[in-house]
Amino acid sequence: DGGITQSPKYLFRKEGQNVTLSCEQNLNHDAMYWYRQDPGQGLRLIYYSQIVNDFQKGDIAEGYSVSREKKESFPLTVTSAQKNPTAFYLCASSIESGMWSGANVLTFGAGSRLTVL
Amino acid sequence: DAKTTQPPSMDCAEGRAANLPCNHSTISGNEYVYWYRQIHSQGPQYIIHGLKNNETNEMASLIITEDRKSSTLILPHATLRDTAVYYCIVRGGAAGGTSYGKLTFGQGTILTVHP
Repeated sequence: DGGITQSPKYLFRKEGQNVTLSCEQNLNHDAMYWYRQDPGQGLRLIYYSQIVNDFQKGDIAEGYSVSREKKESFPLTVTSAQKNPTAFYLCASSIESGMWSGANVLTFGAGSRLTVL
Repeated sequence: DAKTTQPPSMDCAEGRAANLPCNHSTISGNEYVYWYRQIHSQGPQYIIHGLKNNETNEMASLIITEDRKSSTLILPHATLRDTAVYYCIVRGGAAGGTSYGKLTFGQGTILTVHP
C-alpha cells in the first residue's frame, strides 16, 4: 500500500544530542513537509520541500535541519540548538508541480514522538 | 493564508449528524477550504475540500456559504470513532506565492461523540 512511513515512533534523547527522524513515502509525491505538534496545540510547519535538492524554512525552522536528496525521503535532524525539542513530529507529502494552481491535499505519516531526558 | 475560527469543542450523540462550523471571513477568491481530522496521537487525516460549491464524499459533506466567509463540515451519522480534533484550513491555490505548499493548522475543534 502507498503511504508515508515515519521512524522511529518513539525516541528518547539526552540534552545536547542531535537526532534524526526518518520520513519515507512511496506515493510519488513531489512535495514533503515536517510539522511539529505540542500538547493541546495545532501543527506548526518546520520545513518543506517542493522538489528534490530544494527545501524552504517554515515558521519554526530554528534548531532543525533537513535534506532532500531523494524524492522518497525527507529526513529531519533535531539539533542541540533546538531549545525545546520534546514534541510530536509529523511528516507529510503532497502532489505538487511547478504549474500547480489547484487544491493541495496532504497525506500524513503516523508521527514520531521525541522526548528529551 | 486566510485565518480560520472554530469553536474549541463540540459534542454529538452517536448516530446523529455532527455539524462543525468554521469562519474564514478574510478568504480570497483562489483559496480552498480544507478539513482534516486528528485522532489522538495519530497523524491528521484528510476529509474533504472545496472552493465554491458544496462537496460530498464518503466521509462527509462540506457546505460553503455563498459569500465563502464560512463553511460547515457535516458528518451525517457520527460514530464513536469520529471523536477527534477537526481542523478547518484555508489556503491559496497560486503556485509560487509565499504560502505555496503550506497548510496552517490552528487548534481545531475537539468533537466528542457520546453513546
